[in-house]
Amino acid sequence: GESVGLHLPTLSVQEGDNSIINCAYSNSASDYFIWYKQESGKGPQFIIDIRSNMDKRQGQRVTVLLNKTVKHLSLQIAATQPGDSAVYFCAENSHPANAGGTSYGKLTFGQGTILTVHP
Amino acid sequence: DAGVIQSPRHEVTEMGQEVTLRCKPISGHNSLFWYRQTMMRGLELLIYFNNNVPIDDSGMPEDRFSAKMPNASFSTLKIQPSEPRDSAVYFCASLQRSGNTIYFGEGSWLTVV
Repeated sequence: GESVGLHLPTLSVQEGDNSIINCAYSNSASDYFIWYKQESGKGPQFIIDIRSNMDKRQGQRVTVLLNKTVKHLSLQIAATQPGDSAVYFCAENSHPANAGGTSYGKLTFGQGTILTVHP
Repeated sequence: DAGVIQSPRHEVTEMGQEVTLRCKPISGHNSLFWYRQTMMRGLELLIYFNNNVPIDDSGMPEDRFSAKMPNASFSTLKIQPSEPRDSAVYFCASLQRSGNTIYFGEGSWLTVV
């Protein structure tokens, strides 16, 4: 079936380094992707999103890259800080039928990557 | 902004008891989602409401689970009877009609013993 999955379950970096978290998706019809950060004991927090008509989008210290050819998504975090330590999830937004006028519905999440930043 | 508000934050209950989880979405958001998170299965969508109407409940595990949204500012997820395998973190999330971003609450941590 369709799924969203991550290549690496854990990533350890030194403070100040750049981090790259990868995600593979299998649904070629997916047209919207989101990265979430989840800190211990909290809910997922939106980081950045990208539509399928783009291949790159930048935020504050974060960049998302989308390669539709190989169905790959990545999150780059510049100058990683200890506060960036968390689980990072990629998610694909599918469009349910009969959504009642709303274009966006389900989020299918990957399994997550644990990012640990060492001071 | 208050964000998505969930209660209780933590609940421990005995097998067979009824559990009711509550959610207040962000004001003005017209879509509401219930997700469950476990180590084994990650984040799974249970049910999705749009304008208080259930649109997709295909993720609800079985008849022991039910969800309601009586108005735009309140939803419940009920488990009756609860079982140990229902132990998980249950997240509520909401989405604005014109927006793309789904905002999550802090979750309800359920332990069934």
